[in-house]
Amino acid sequence: QKEVEQDPGPLSVPEGAIVSLNCTYSNSAFQYFMWYRQYSRKGPELLMYTYSSGNKEDGRFTAQVDKSSKYISLFIRDSQPSDSATYLCAMRFNKFYFGSGTKLNVKP
Amino acid sequence: NAGVTQTPKFQVLKTGQSMTLQCAQDMNHNSMYWYRQDPGMGLRLIYYSASEGTTDKGEVPNGYNVSRLNKREFSLRLESAAPSQTSVYFCASSVTGIGLAEAFFGQGTRLTVV
Repeated sequence: QKEVEQDPGPLSVPEGAIVSLNCTYSNSAFQYFMWYRQYSRKGPELLMYTYSSGNKEDGRFTAQVDKSSKYISLFIRDSQPSDSATYLCAMRFNKFYFGSGTKLNVKP
Repeated sequence: NAGVTQTPKFQVLKTGQSMTLQCAQDMNHNSMYWYRQDPGMGLRLIYYSASEGTTDKGEVPNGYNVSRLNKREFSLRLESAAPSQTSVYFCASSVTGIGLAEAFFGQGTRLTVV
């Protein structure tokens, strides 16, 4: 079993839709949970992070962690074509553990 | 501020050839990583280095060697390339420790082995 599981998609939504991206993990030692965004032919870049359980909001993006279920989510409100990218969840304990990434396409 | 710089950006190798992928960071990070990214497989860790002078195997180390030349540079060597090593390779760096840290990635090297 991989440390981090993520639905690879792809996910295609119309502009303005609410997008939900999810990951599950197996190691209860993880405390820092991150979302990276990767545009085509680029390296991943940190989008946002949360510590322990709870929600964190940054503009149209909300990251949510449920440690009891070992489940994290990223919600994108009012999605835009510029949000089209691959989103990778990640956790860190000494080194990084990445999900396989979900490819999102927001259609104008 | 360059961040993480990888060279080359593209490379085509014949089976059995060798090559070294170069990576340098200017953020004074102790930890550096090499990943490969394949469709549907996400980022898989090949090797990482928690500090100058130390290296450890990751998830998929077979067929690769690494050298942490100094704090700034971490190279990845393919001694005898195989078609299964066709992939996009990313170098990354971060601070060391178990707390929150951001991994900074290079732009990637697209390698094709024919």
